[in-house]
Amino acid sequence: SQTIHQWPATLVQPVGSPLSLECTVEGTSNPNLYWYRQAAGRGLQLLFYSVGIGQISSEVPQNLSASRPQDRQFILSSKKLLLSDSGFYLCAWSGQDSYEQYFGPGTRLTVT
Amino acid sequence: AQSVTQLDSQVPVFEEAPVELRCNYSSSVSVYLFWYVQYPNQGLQLLLKYLSGSTLVKGINGFEAEFNKSQTSFHLRKPSVHISDTAEYFCAVTDSGAGSYQLTFGKGTKLSVIP
Repeated sequence: SQTIHQWPATLVQPVGSPLSLECTVEGTSNPNLYWYRQAAGRGLQLLFYSVGIGQISSEVPQNLSASRPQDRQFILSSKKLLLSDSGFYLCAWSGQDSYEQYFGPGTRLTVT
Repeated sequence: AQSVTQLDSQVPVFEEAPVELRCNYSSSVSVYLFWYVQYPNQGLQLLLKYLSGSTLVKGINGFEAEFNKSQTSFHLRKPSVHISDTAEYFCAVTDSGAGSYQLTFGKGTKLSVIP
């Protein structure tokens, strides 16, 4: 069966520090991968999605970036965090020809 | 582009009472529809989906939803709720013919089950 992992689970970082969040999927190959941010009362905001290694599409201009160095690995990064980057970050995957997305457990990021 | 409206941000309901969580989407083109549940500090879990076929869809945990194309709605129902159903529920939609696998999510409805 397929599983999706995210780490770390929680993170507290000062403003201006770098960020690296990692997401890995097991039990499937060539998945579509997604990064979302969830802020209180605002639902889910799609940040990035990827249909293959090195293929990243950005949905929202911001100081975040994403990379997909391996088929089942998706990384969210920032060079300098802002207070507004605080939130709950969720990674998800779907099959290449499938619409259902399956979510990881999330990372709670607090920028202080 | 699609948009999703979940009319109720919070729904309190007594234990063992029925509940309906409302979801409306913007476009009448062919769509796929989903309901997800999120427990505190966890990821989203797929409750049910409508891709085609019967407009009444049954999901996990006793939930069901009905696709109504003319009203562009996909309301979620449960005949008798339990304390464990307390969570936030998200409706999501995608255009089936758009060639994109991106989902558009509503802002969520927090269901609180009162003992």
